Amino acid sequence: GAVVSQHPSWVICKSGTSVKIECRSLDFQATTMFWYRQFPKQSLMLMATSNEGSKATYEQGVEKDKFLINHASLTLSTLTVTSAHPEDSSFYICSARTEWAGSPLHFGNGTRLTVT
Amino acid sequence: KNQVEQSPQSLIILEGKNCTLQCNYTVSPFSNLRWYKQDTGRGPVSLTIMTFSENTKSNGRYTATLDADTKQSSLHITASQLSDSASYICVVSAINAGNMLTFGGGTRLMVKP
Repeated sequence: GAVVSQHPSWVICKSGTSVKIECRSLDFQATTMFWYRQFPKQSLMLMATSNEGSKATYEQGVEKDKFLINHASLTLSTLTVTSAHPEDSSFYICSARTEWAGSPLHFGNGTRLTVT
Repeated sequence: KNQVEQSPQSLIILEGKNCTLQCNYTVSPFSNLRWYKQDTGRGPVSLTIMTFSENTKSNGRYTATLDADTKQSSLHITASQLSDSASYICVVSAINAGNMLTFGGGTRLMVKP
């Protein structure tokens, strides 16, 4: 079945540094990719939607200058958390799907970010 | 406003017992509904995908139902196992630009021996 690879699976960084998370679709062309964050014991919160070759659409309350999303190809999207702060510590998950409206979402395994 | 409400928020059952999780939605126009299982610290994994015309769909011990008239779905787990302990998330897709997705808050299931 379709696989989405997310890397790294966990990262610890110092406050003020930037962290890049990669999301790759391994065996299909991901027209659309989504980025979420998840706090403990809570559901996924959509941060932004990115379509290949265009600017990401951010959800209300998500700072686009802090969470930079690049969807440069049909198999790769990246999320960069800039100038990370401890409150950015969270579980970040990506998902991807093809352009077909009924296509399922395929999720990555998530990235645990800890900012010290 | 499109919303997806799941109940209960959390559930504890004994191994071997059955349970049913609920998902009510107001998403319109409806495209499809998906149930996902998310183990702690992992990404969600799809269990079932249901379209408007489907009433019941099974995947092993998981059976999902959909009532498009009342806008309700359920996920029934039969003969629960310890490995069923996870969060179960209901996601509803709308037929519109971008096929907007609306996530439920999830049900956290714990199966105890």
